[in-house]
Amino acid sequence: EAQVTQNPRYLITVTGKKLTVTCSQNMNHEYMSWYRQDPGLGLRQIYYSMNVEVTDKGDVPEGYKVSRKEKRNFPLILESPSPNQTSLYFCASSDQSGGNQPQHFGDGTRLSIL
Amino acid sequence: EDQVTQSPEALRLQEGESSSLNCSYTVSGLRGLFWYRQDPGKGPEFLFTLYSAGEEKEKERLKATLTKKESFLHITAPKPEDSATYLCAVLFMDSNYQLIWGAGTKLIIKP
Repeated sequence: EAQVTQNPRYLITVTGKKLTVTCSQNMNHEYMSWYRQDPGLGLRQIYYSMNVEVTDKGDVPEGYKVSRKEKRNFPLILESPSPNQTSLYFCASSDQSGGNQPQHFGDGTRLSIL
Repeated sequence: EDQVTQSPEALRLQEGESSSLNCSYTVSGLRGLFWYRQDPGKGPEFLFTLYSAGEEKEKERLKATLTKKESFLHITAPKPEDSATYLCAVLFMDSNYQLIWGAGTKLIIKP
């Protein structure tokens, strides 16, 4: 089954404690992306990757890092989380050029930073 | 500034009561407009892509249309299982493959 898998689904942690949210897709997609979703706001892009070893900033990259060492994986790293990063996070992937193709989303990771 | 606005924020309908959701955008040039459905606890699920004014796409009880400044998602004779949040996203010409998302319309269909 084609899917995007995120882990963990839920995480409560404290300010400053480094964390990683993993994302893996089994569709051999070139394009992957991270979004955050906050009430009353649209999805906002954090980082995206057009292919292995190619990453770029989205609209809200501050406080986040990503890497793309393998085509299937695109982890999101919060080196020193702060309460304003409490949010619902989604990983997505798509074929070819990304923006012009439908994106497949994971089921989300709800992060609470205390 | 490129913006995408969805209205209404929430819509409650009786089963069988048809209606429309709106997605308006201010753009420097549209490359594509996407509709997604999002169920509670799930990621968005792709519905349609529209590329040019006048284009229409249909799927079951849903029909999406596009003009130069807005898109409508028409829901005909909805059922309770159509309840979800519907998201609109726009890809602009100069956006470097980044989508601009609306905040969504939460649709509730009462039996």
